[in-house]
Amino acid sequence: NAGVTQTPKFRILKIGQSMTLQCTQDMNHNYMYWYRQDPGMGLKLIYYSVGAGITDKGEVPNGYNVSRSTTEDFPLRLELAAPSQTSVYFCASSPLKQGEQYFGPGTRLTVT
Amino acid sequence: AQKITQTQPGMFVQEKEAVTLDCTYDTSDPSYGLFWYKQPSSGEMIFLIYQGSYDQQNATEGRYSLNFQKARKSANLVISASQLGDSAMYFCAMRVISSGSARQLTFGSGTQLTVLP
Repeated sequence: NAGVTQTPKFRILKIGQSMTLQCTQDMNHNYMYWYRQDPGMGLKLIYYSVGAGITDKGEVPNGYNVSRSTTEDFPLRLELAAPSQTSVYFCASSPLKQGEQYFGPGTRLTVT
Repeated sequence: AQKITQTQPGMFVQEKEAVTLDCTYDTSDPSYGLFWYKQPSSGEMIFLIYQGSYDQQNATEGRYSLNFQKARKSANLVISASQLGDSAMYFCAMRVISSGSARQLTFGSGTQLTVLP
């Protein structure tokens, strides 16, 4: 009963480096999301996908890219990491019909 | 655009007492859902309770209930008989469900609840 899994759990990047945050769900959900949570704040939407091959920008997309080649996977790519991208990143998924979003455990990223 | 407002950055409650966490929302869409999530110090997001905009009755889940006042656009969370394990950050969130919507959650800034022994 895996639900939404994210890797890695922690990562330290140097300014200018790139990395991919992995997200996988095994619930066959159409909708998937990437959020970031800055210290003491709520979550903000980075990108989302309504199905394989379809992605769109959220509230704070700059500095990120995504792809959705399968229903299960929704990786988030950081290009040229900046200190402003230090945050906790959550991946989430939800079924087509209304209901709760299921969150992964999060990835804590520090850019120095 | 949707907006969630949580005006209580921090709240304290005595163990075994009830506490209300405030949430107001703003949307022009008639079809939406309201959620409460708990985030303990370990960081995961735990779903607590859901209220749909067309639901006639207030949602309840064990010790959690949602006081939904549609005309006032408020969706307060009530926790009865507080326990030490309830100490956490609580987020109110909204999701528009209209056709064509991506159905992402819009979050408030959260309320840090501390339960005192």
